[in-house]
Amino acid sequence: KAGVTQTPRYLIKTRGQQVTLSCSPISGHRSVSWYQQTPGQGLQFLFEYFSETQRNKGNFPGRFSGRQFSNSRSEMNVSTLELGDSALYLCASSPEPGQVYEQYFGPGTRLTVT
Amino acid sequence: KQEVTQIPAALSVPEGENLVLNCSFTDSAIYNLQWFRQDPGKGLTSLLLIQSSQREQTSGRLNASLDKSSGRSTLYIAASQPGDSATYLCAGYSGNTPLVFGKGTRLSVIA
Repeated sequence: KAGVTQTPRYLIKTRGQQVTLSCSPISGHRSVSWYQQTPGQGLQFLFEYFSETQRNKGNFPGRFSGRQFSNSRSEMNVSTLELGDSALYLCASSPEPGQVYEQYFGPGTRLTVT
Repeated sequence: KQEVTQIPAALSVPEGENLVLNCSFTDSAIYNLQWFRQDPGKGLTSLLLIQSSQREQTSGRLNASLDKSSGRSTLYIAASQPGDSATYLCAGYSGNTPLVFGKGTRLSVIA
C-alpha cells in the first residue's frame, strides 16, 4: 500500500506570494492533518480535515487555510508569504478523525521564503 | 493544555549500547502516546503507538512504555546500531487538543 505522498517536495517563493501544497493520504484513510516544523518551534499543528470538513485548527493566522476533497486528498494554502513561513510542512493521515489512531506522515514539503 | 518534553535534546552513544529516551507529559488524561523517528530533512516514521489502556509496546529492538500516573513514557532501544541515528520524537493525544509533540532527542550512535 502506498504511503502518504506530498507535492511538491521543495518550493522557493518570495515574500508576498502565495503557495499551495498537496497531500494524498494512504488509500482508505479519511483524515488528514497538517503540521509545520521549524527548528525553533518544533512541530506545530495547523489543521485537521475529515469528510471535507475542518475538524480542528491550530493557532495560526488566517493566511493559512486548507481544504479536503471527496477523495480525501487535501491541500493547504498560505497567502501573503512571510519569511517566517519557511518551514517543513508535513501532512499525516489516519483512518478516522482525531489522533486516536496511528498517524502516518508524508515526506514533507520544504518551503523556503526569500 | 498538554505539554510534552523530551530530555536530553541530544545523545551520543557507542554502537551496541542499550539506551533509553525519555518523554514527559503534563496531562495524565492522555489517550495515547506515539513515538516517531525522523531522519534529517525527511518526514516522520511511526515507531510505536501506545494506547492509554496499555503499559508498553514492542517492535523488534524497540520497547516503549507509558506511565500515565507519573506522566512519563520511555523508548528503549536495545543493541543500538549506527542506522539508529536520527531524531526521536514523542507525541501525546489527550482528546481535547490535537497531537502535541516534544522537541525530540537527536541520537547519534557511533561505530
